[in-house]
Amino acid sequence: GAVVSQHPSRVICKSGTSVKIECRSLDFQATTMFWYRQFPKQSLMLMATSNEGSKATYEQGVEKDKFLINHASLTLSTLTVTSAHPEDSSFYICSANVRGNSNQPQHFGDGTRLSIL
Amino acid sequence: AQKITQTQPGMFVQEKEAVTLDCTYDTSDPSYGLFWYKQPSSGEMIFLIYQGSYDQQNATEGRYSLNFQKARKSANLVISASQLGDSAMYFCAMREGPDNFNKFYFGSGTKLNVKP
Repeated sequence: GAVVSQHPSRVICKSGTSVKIECRSLDFQATTMFWYRQFPKQSLMLMATSNEGSKATYEQGVEKDKFLINHASLTLSTLTVTSAHPEDSSFYICSANVRGNSNQPQHFGDGTRLSIL
Repeated sequence: AQKITQTQPGMFVQEKEAVTLDCTYDTSDPSYGLFWYKQPSSGEMIFLIYQGSYDQQNATEGRYSLNFQKARKSANLVISASQLGDSAMYFCAMREGPDNFNKFYFGSGTKLNVKP
């Protein structure tokens, strides 16, 4: 099956640090990847759609300069949380689609737990 | 209006019993896909089952089946013979349109607890 790898799985860092999270499709090419944020006991909130070779499409209310997305290749998208603060602490998870039929689900990485001290 | 509604924040079921998790959706697009995911406490999202808007029959995958009632716009997940390992959050999601690169809309989720 389609495998999405997300790294790192957990980050603890000081306030003001920038943190980069990688999302890789291991056995397929992903022209589109999605980045979500999830607060405890809540649903996934779509932050942005990452498109290979072009700018990401951000959802309303998501700061583009705060959450930088780069999708430089067909297998890698990165999310950088710039100058992170405690309120940015959350669970971040990416997903990717396999080309093809509309019955294809989004395949998710295992997520990144970000804690800002 | 919410695209996906899950009205059961939490559910309990006895081990080996069947349980139904509710999901209703709202769309005017004739082409759409409905998906169910399981999220254990470890956080990963596990795809369970898919139902297409044009599918004539209800989808089934092992112990999972989808009760698709198109006129009512509902896509309830049925888990038969519940197991302790089924305890998790369950999310219903919808993709509008035929393009599989369109974004998903997720429901608020249902926390399922399976009792021994």
